[in-house]
Amino acid sequence: GDSVTQMEGPVTLSEEAFLTINCTYTATGYPSLFWYVQYPGEGLQLLLKATKADDKGSNKGFEATYRKETTSFHLEKGSVQVSDSAVYFCALSRNQAGTALIFGKGTTLSVSS
Amino acid sequence: EPEVTQTPSHQVTQMGQEVILRCVPISNHLYFYWYRQILGQKVEFLVSFYNNEISEKSEIFDDQFSVERPDGSNFTLKIRSTKLEDSAMYFCASSAEAEKLFFGSGTQLSVL
Repeated sequence: GDSVTQMEGPVTLSEEAFLTINCTYTATGYPSLFWYVQYPGEGLQLLLKATKADDKGSNKGFEATYRKETTSFHLEKGSVQVSDSAVYFCALSRNQAGTALIFGKGTTLSVSS
Repeated sequence: EPEVTQTPSHQVTQMGQEVILRCVPISNHLYFYWYRQILGQKVEFLVSFYNNEISEKSEIFDDQFSVERPDGSNFTLKIRSTKLEDSAMYFCASSAEAEKLFFGSGTQLSVL
């Protein structure tokens, strides 16, 4: 079945460091790929998405490129801030309203000043 | 900005008891979902709901679970007879279109 694997956390960085959180997926067909973020005490929020191969999703300085050849969707940010501390979830969907998003386990990012 | 609201934020119950988790989706959304996350594990899909019926459910969503939209605003998840392994964070979500889900902040269910 479809699945998402993301790197184990926690990831601990200093402010302005470069961030990479790895995500790989297994799916039949051509899923859409997502990164969701959960700040403390809040629900999951869509951070960015890509719907086809080679698409790059970007938002708030975060980027991820849909790589079909490596079945990956790694999240990157050039310079993290303390306010980026959160749990990040990689997810895929089968492009149909009402169907499940398949999530990874989540990676906790902690940024210190 | 509109948001999905879940109540209660924490629920403690005894094994074997029934619980109802409540959600108020965003008002113009048509698709509703329940997910859960057991501590340290993945966020798992439970069920999706559209046009007053279940559109998809996972293996987790067995006969102990049910969902209902009792009125125009609420969307509930009922667990008939809770088990210890039902302890998890339960997230409600809604969407107006495919893929762009808005999540609530979750209900932490503890079964003792």
